[in-house]
Amino acid sequence: EAGVAQSPRYKIIEKRQSVAFWCNPISGHATLYWYQQILGQGPKLLIQFQNNGVVDDSQLPKDRFSAERLKGVDSTLKIQPAKLEDSAVYLCASSLSLVPYNEQFFGPGTRLTVL
Amino acid sequence: AQTVTQSQPEMSVQEAETVTLSCTYDTSESDYYLFWYKQPPSRQMILVIRQEAYKQQNATENRFSVNFQKAAKSFSLKISDSQLGDAAMYFCAYWGSQGNLIFGKGTKLSVKP
Repeated sequence: EAGVAQSPRYKIIEKRQSVAFWCNPISGHATLYWYQQILGQGPKLLIQFQNNGVVDDSQLPKDRFSAERLKGVDSTLKIQPAKLEDSAVYLCASSLSLVPYNEQFFGPGTRLTVL
Repeated sequence: AQTVTQSQPEMSVQEAETVTLSCTYDTSESDYYLFWYKQPPSRQMILVIRQEAYKQQNATENRFSVNFQKAAKSFSLKISDSQLGDAAMYFCAYWGSQGNLIFGKGTKLSVKP
C-alpha cells in the first residue's frame, strides 16, 4: 500500500513570495490533515478535510494561507505572501475517517525555508 | 483548552535497557484518546501506541507499553529492550472533543550502543 505522498520535499523562498505544497493521501482515506511543525515543537493542525469539505480550519492564518481538496482526493496548501515565521515543516496526514481510533498516516513533509 | 506537556526535551538510554518517557495533559473531558507517535530523523511520523481513556488496562504493543494514570492525567511510554532503531523524536498527543490531535513538544530519544 502506497503511503502519503508530498511534494516538494524542500523549498526555499524569499519573504513575500508565494509557495504551494501538494499532498496525495492514501487511497480510500476520506480525512486529510495539514500540520505545521516549527523546529523544536510538535505538529500543529492547520486544517482538516473530510472528503472535499473543511471540518476545521480554526488555526489556519486565512489572510495568507489557503488550502483546497478538490474531488476529495489530493490537496494543495498555499502561502501567499510568505513571512519569515512560516519557516517550518509542513506535514500532510490522512486517515480512513474522522474518528480517533483510525490511525493517521503521515507523509514525509515539506521543509520550507523563508529568507 | 486541552494541553499536552512533555517535560523531558531529551533522554538517553543504553541499548537493551528500558526507558520511560513522560507526558502529562490537561483536560476537563472524561472521554478522550491518547497517543504516542515516533518521528525518526527522516521525518515520517508513525503511530507507536494508543490508549482509550475509558479503558483501565494499559495498552501494550510488543516492546512498547504505557502507564496511563487518568486521575493524575499522566501518560508515560515505556520502551523495553531499547534498540538503535528506537532513536527518534517521540510525541505525546491528545484527541478529545475538538476532533483532532494536540501534540506535545516532543522528547528526543538517543540510544547508545
